[in-house]
This record gives sequence, structure tokens and C-alpha cells, in this order.
Amino acid sequence: RKEVEQDPGPFNVPEGATVAFNCTYSNSASQSFFWYRQDCRKEPKLLMSVYSSGNEDGRFTAQLNRASQYISLLIRDSKLSDSATYLCVVKENGNKLVFGAGTILRVKS
Amino acid sequence: DGGITQSPKYLFRKEGQNVTLSCEQNLNHDAMYWYRQDPGQGLRLIYYSQIVNDFQKGDIAEGYSVSREKKESFPLTVTSAQKNPTAFYLCASSIPRLAGEVGLGGELFFGEGSRLTVL
Repeated sequence: RKEVEQDPGPFNVPEGATVAFNCTYSNSASQSFFWYRQDCRKEPKLLMSVYSSGNEDGRFTAQLNRASQYISLLIRDSKLSDSATYLCVVKENGNKLVFGAGTILRVKS
Repeated sequence: DGGITQSPKYLFRKEGQNVTLSCEQNLNHDAMYWYRQDPGQGLRLIYYSQIVNDFQKGDIAEGYSVSREKKESFPLTVTSAQKNPTAFYLCASSIPRLAGEVGLGGELFFGEGSRLTVL
């Protein structure tokens, strides 16, 4: 079983749609969680950290469920510019960062 | 502007040759990392360095070597011993550790990457 698993997609959605991605992790001792965004053939960039109580940044909402060991990212009112690959990143005990393979999002007009 | 610069952006190599990828940062970050990205897989850690003159192997260090003689620079050499070197290589650095904080932070700043193709 992979340490961090994501549905690779692609998720094809129309502009204005709401879309949600899940990510599961295997190490119950994982400490911190993040979502990164990676545009095609570019470097990843931090989108948001995921806090235990859940957090929101504009159209983006991140949730953490420690009991079920998954995190989620919700994007409301999708824009064309949201098209990218979204990487789930888990910081394990011992400070190791483990990256998921990413979920591809394509927003169409 | 502060940032991380990787070069070259594209590199072609013949089998049996060593190549060195450059990574320079002017962010005054202590920690630097090298990752490899293959299609359909997450980033995998090759080597990392938390301080000058010190570095540690990551998950896939075989066939690679690094040095950290200066805080700003963390070059990666892909040796002929690396069996499948064609990949996208990403260098990153992390924000300075807060007092009492140890290890890797959560925010990594990446360079634009170097795409290596072995012919």
C-alpha cells in the first residue's frame, strides 16, 4: 500500500462547479498535512496547509479526518486557472515529507 | 528577487556519462533538497541537507551524489550507476527553522526543475 494515495483523475469539470479531492495516508503518526499545486511541467507550489479543525482560503477548503486517515480539498466556483495537478503531502513522524502522485483537475469553459 | 535557480532546464546525456545539475538559492534557507519526479508517481527524495557541509540520503540515493560546500548551493550529480536516470529533477529549500523546531518544515520552495533525458 502506498504511503499517500490519491485518485489520479483526471477530474473534468465545467467552470463554476464544485469539486473535491480526497487523499488517504497510511501512517497514523503523521503530523502535518499540506496541499500543493503543480502546473503542467512546472514546479509544485504550496496551496495550503491543512489544520485539524479544517481551514478555508477563499474558494478552497481543506479538511482533515485523523480517524479515517484522509484529508480533502474542496474547490468552489472552479475557474479555468484552477486546472492543475493537486499534490497531497504528509509530514510523517521524524519530519519526513511524503508526496502523493497527484490528482489532475481540468476545468472547461 | 529571491528564489531558487536550477540549471540546466533540459539536459540530454548519453549512457555511461555523469552529469551535474546545479541548484542555487538566495533565500538564506538552511535546508535544501533534491527530488525526482516520474510520471504517475509522487516526488521521491534523493538527498537533503539541513546545514552546510552536511547531507543525508533520502529514499532513492543510489546512483546520485551531492555536496553542500556553500549555503547557497546544492549540486546533484547523476552518475552512470543510476540505472534509470531519465526524469524531472526538482531542487527545493525550506524556510528557516523556528527556535526549537527541528527537521523538515511543511513549505518547500522549488526551483523550476531540470528535465534529464538519457539517450
